[in-house]
Amino acid sequence: NAGVTQTPKFQVLKTGQSMTLQCAQDMNHEYMSWYRQDPGMGLRLIHYSVGAGITDQGEVPNGYNVSRSTTEDFPLRLLSAAPSQTSVYFCASSLRGPYTDTQYFGPGTRLTVL
Amino acid sequence: GQQVMQIPQYQHVQEGEDFTTYCNSSTTLSNIQWYKQRPGGHPVFLIQLVKSGEVKKQKRLTFQFGEAKKNSSLHITATQTTDVGTYFCAGSPESKLTFGKGITLSVRP
Repeated sequence: NAGVTQTPKFQVLKTGQSMTLQCAQDMNHEYMSWYRQDPGMGLRLIHYSVGAGITDQGEVPNGYNVSRSTTEDFPLRLLSAAPSQTSVYFCASSLRGPYTDTQYFGPGTRLTVL
Repeated sequence: GQQVMQIPQYQHVQEGEDFTTYCNSSTTLSNIQWYKQRPGGHPVFLIQLVKSGEVKKQKRLTFQFGEAKKNSSLHITATQTTDVGTYFCAGSPESKLTFGKGITLSVRP
C-alpha cells in the first residue's frame, strides 16, 4: 500500500491563480481531511469528508473547495490564491473517523503564493 | 469553540534527561491523540487514549489521560536525540479533530 499520497510536493502560485492539490489513499478509508500548518499555529482543519459524496467545513474553510466523488480521492481546490494561503497542506485519512481510528497523514504540499 | 492548549511551544533538554509535556482542553474530550512530527516531515500517529485516567506506554514514552478527560500528559524517560521533533496532542468531541499548537523538543547531545 502507498498509504496517503499528495501531489505536488511544492508549488508556487501568483495571487489570483487557482489550483488543485491532489490527495489519494489506497487503504479504503471512509474519512479524509485537509489541514494547513502554519508556524506557531499547529494543524488547522480546512475541510473533511466522512465518505464519498459527503463533505463538511472545518475550522478554516474560506477560500477552499473540496469534493469527494470516490472513496480514494479528496482534492482541495484553491479558487483564487492569496498570500495568506501560503502554508504547508496535509491530507489525512482514517478508516471511520479521527476519534475512533488511527489517522494517517500524507507527506504534505508546500505552497507559496506570491 | 473547543480549544486544545499546549504550553510551552519549545523545550530544550540535555540528552538523558526526562521530559514531560501537557495538553489541556477547555471541554471534556471523548478521546485524545498524540502525534509526532519530525523536522520537515508529516505528523505520525503515536497513540490514542479513551478512558478516564488511562495510562499507556510505548518504550520510553508514557501517555496519560486525566481523570476529568480534560488534560493529558506525555512523559519521555531518558531522552535521546531521536526524540527530537514536535509533539502534538489532538482532541475530538465529534468528527472534527482539534490540534494543539504543539511543543517542539530539542535534545542536546
